[in-house]
Amino acid sequence: NAGVTQTPKFQVLKTGQSMTLQCAQDMNHNSMYWYRQDPGMGLRLIYYSASEGTTDKGEVPNGYNVSRLNKREFSLRLESAAPSQTSVYFCASTTVPNYGYTFGSGTRLTVV
Amino acid sequence: KQEVTQIPAALSVPEGENLVLNCSFTDSAIYNLQWFRQDPGKGLTSLLLIQSSQREQTSGRLNASLDKSSGRSTLYIAASQPGDSATYLCAVGSGSARQLTFGSGTQLTVLP
Repeated sequence: NAGVTQTPKFQVLKTGQSMTLQCAQDMNHNSMYWYRQDPGMGLRLIYYSASEGTTDKGEVPNGYNVSRLNKREFSLRLESAAPSQTSVYFCASTTVPNYGYTFGSGTRLTVV
Repeated sequence: KQEVTQIPAALSVPEGENLVLNCSFTDSAIYNLQWFRQDPGKGLTSLLLIQSSQREQTSGRLNASLDKSSGRSTLYIAASQPGDSATYLCAVGSGSARQLTFGSGTQLTVLP
């Protein structure tokens, strides 16, 4: 099925551990995004990639890094996880002309 | 910086009522506006996408309008049903990568 695939779906980390969240889309979209969702706060943009080879910081980039590996894949890395990074992470993609944004099903991350 | 506000934060209505959810944004330089639905613990389901050149979009019992000059959008739900109970999110696409800025959502409960 065409869409945005995120892995893993669930993860528990200990404080200080690192991990990479994977995102891949098969719709030939140019732009990709990482969001986090916390209770009562809506979704906030962490990083985005307007096109292959470019990445930019969003609203809440501290503690994260990203890699746009190719046009299909956009990964989010937590180098040293902190409890404040406990959240649900969503990856999304779109293209121009804009036919709407497609979201992955999310990764629920808990840092203890 | 784009800011998106949704009012009300929560709404409870009896089945069969017509209802309106409101969304406002601070910067009218947008590419599009998208309404999403989110069920508890789930991902985002796209409902309607309005391009900046459009005034409204309709899908079934849903109608979304956009007034870019005043920075407002409304989502109209006709003949509400208990299955419509969910959180409705408004998001505005703007910036160099058309990144979405989300409101905090309206939690809708439709009582049987």
